[in-house]
Amino acid sequence: AQSVAQPEDQVNVAEGNPLTVKCTYSVSGNPYLFWYVQYPNRGLQFLLKYITGDNLVKGSYGFEAEFNKSQTSFHLKKPSALVSDSALYFCAVSRNSGGYNKLIFGAGTRLAVHP
Amino acid sequence: EAQVTQNPRYLITVTGKKLTVTCSQNMNHEYMSWYRQDPGLGLRQIYYSMNVEVTDKGDVPEGYKVSRKEKRNFPLILESPSPNQTSLYFCASSPSRARSPDGYTFGSGTRLTVV
Repeated sequence: AQSVAQPEDQVNVAEGNPLTVKCTYSVSGNPYLFWYVQYPNRGLQFLLKYITGDNLVKGSYGFEAEFNKSQTSFHLKKPSALVSDSALYFCAVSRNSGGYNKLIFGAGTRLAVHP
Repeated sequence: EAQVTQNPRYLITVTGKKLTVTCSQNMNHEYMSWYRQDPGLGLRQIYYSMNVEVTDKGDVPEGYKVSRKEKRNFPLILESPSPNQTSLYFCASSPSRARSPDGYTFGSGTRLTVV
């Protein structure tokens, strides 16, 4: 069965330090992988996606993610965290289900960036 | 502006009182879906629709109904709400029903409390 795991409920990091939010997946075939961010009282916003090609994907707000097929991981990274990055982050994998594009989400990781 | 609009943003209701949460998109997307978000569980799909008059159950459909009479609208109906349906609900749309690199566009969410 396809699934996405985000092993950390919360990640704490000091402003200016690099951050990593972890994601591993289980899916048959070649995955389409996504990261979404949810700010307080807002909907989910698309950050970046991996479809094919370069394993390092760059997205919005300076975020990037590295696809590692052997480790089935798609960790989200940023070289220098900002307080404004504090939010809830969701990893998702896309699979073909009856001819439509279904997104399966992880449980989410809360990122707290401290001044 | 391309968007998914949900109403209401907040709703408190009593057990058994029928309610409808509306969702509308202005992007001419074929595919629409409802998710509920609960702490530690991420987003779980309730129902989806691949086009007008075509709907199907997601992973947690019990207690919910949907309809898709027009392409732009996809209301979520709770015929007899119960406290276990207290949650944060998101509507989402996507341009294609085939497996696609496109992610979803999400509404801002509806926070429902059933007392």
